[in-house]
Amino acid sequence: ETGVTQSPTHLIKTRGQQVTLRCSSQSGHNTVSWYQQALGQGPQFIFQYYREEENGRGNFPPRFSGLQFPNYSSELNVNALELDDSALYLCASSFRKQNTEAFFGQGTRLTVV
Amino acid sequence: AQSVSQHNHHVILSEAASLELGCNYSYGGTVNLFWYVQYPGQHLQLLLKYFSGDPLVKGIKGFEAEFIKSKFSFNLRKPSVQWSDTAEYFCAVDNYGQNFVFGPGTRLSVLP
Repeated sequence: ETGVTQSPTHLIKTRGQQVTLRCSSQSGHNTVSWYQQALGQGPQFIFQYYREEENGRGNFPPRFSGLQFPNYSSELNVNALELDDSALYLCASSFRKQNTEAFFGQGTRLTVV
Repeated sequence: AQSVSQHNHHVILSEAASLELGCNYSYGGTVNLFWYVQYPGQHLQLLLKYFSGDPLVKGIKGFEAEFIKSKFSFNLRKPSVQWSDTAEYFCAVDNYGQNFVFGPGTRLSVLP
């Protein structure tokens, strides 16, 4: 167990809908990163939040957005879902300092039909 | 932008065989390097990490990795694999301390 929890574990949505995924970070961690892992591929960085502000973004369109709350938990929102958004979405929490590791949640499996 | 490549998409071994999974990264400066494992249905788990110092790093479950700066490589090894090592293995580099860049992964199947 990593102490990072994500909800829900599985989700099925229809193309065009919106979805919100949630992540509770490990105690003492102040940074949350989100990754998308398509089937058969490595995780791809979506964005990172530190102190409730976006602190870096990967190559994902603006319909992918997020929030970080004062307790360092986080949400990932995806608008106008497309079939290609079907993937495992991973949340990673860490403490922002040099040479630190991140701990991953079990992921949310999103299927867009 | 940094990139990570992994040499093998799928490796099949018999129990007790030795394992070496290749990983190369693109950035020539100071890097932090990681190997993560993803067992079926489970979350990503850290196997080992390299920040600095001894380039031979030992991790959990008998895994080790060697950082060779001149070759931009961080290969994962295990002398004798077990059936329970069946999993997906990901090499990752720390992107300027901000996020991870992962390789595409190597699926390891260990036959009993």
